[in-house]
Amino acid sequence: QGQLVQSGAEVKKPGASVKVACKASGYIFTSHGISWVRQAPGQGLEWMGWISIYNGYTMSAQKFQDRVSVTADKSTNTAYMELRSLRSDDTAIYYCARDGRVRTDDPEYFQGWGQGTLVTVSS
Amino acid sequence: DIVMTQSPDSLAVSLGERATISCKSSQSISFSPNNKTYLAWYQQRPGQPPRLLIYWASTRESGVPDRFSGSGSGTDFTVTITSLQAEDVAVYYCQQYYSGPPSFGQGTKLEIK
Repeated sequence: QGQLVQSGAEVKKPGASVKVACKASGYIFTSHGISWVRQAPGQGLEWMGWISIYNGYTMSAQKFQDRVSVTADKSTNTAYMELRSLRSDDTAIYYCARDGRVRTDDPEYFQGWGQGTLVTVSS
Repeated sequence: DIVMTQSPDSLAVSLGERATISCKSSQSISFSPNNKTYLAWYQQRPGQPPRLLIYWASTRESGVPDRFSGSGSGTDFTVTITSLQAEDVAVYYCQQYYSGPPSFGQGTKLEIK
């Protein structure tokens, strides 16, 4: 089934950038796309973006389009999400999540999740 | 974008009883040519990441107890937990992956009565 292990918690100042890593193991990394989903304190789930590891195609939510980059390094089986121009309301737990089916053209359901990375934005 | 709305926001059920959570999409998320409905359900226990329970509206993920079942098509869906167990206390989310950005319902908090 595989495993996703994320990088550790971050504290950033408003206006800064953060880059969260998601290292995959136990499955063929290039076969499944990876999405990024965030959860503000006490709130629900919000999809941010997706990358097809197979062909590098990316998609992002319009809300984040100018501020988010989703990338992947096939040599280390690691996906990354960078969020720029951070604001206090970006304080949240950020999750990476693996697509359930192989080589899809769009994000689908999320079969495996990382443990989450808390990003705190505070002056 | 497709909006997902769950009801109720919270629910308290006695141990051993049935719990039913509803989810409604702002447009149909069923595709007739392949007879698939693009809906998933997740369980999120306190302090943990979400866990996939059901996909394609009614297919149970491997390892999920058979007391969990999903149903529905078009715009109306339910997840049912028969015989509620203490470990089922969690927030449950529906998610559509039919078109546009994937979107989640606001969540339903399930507690023991």
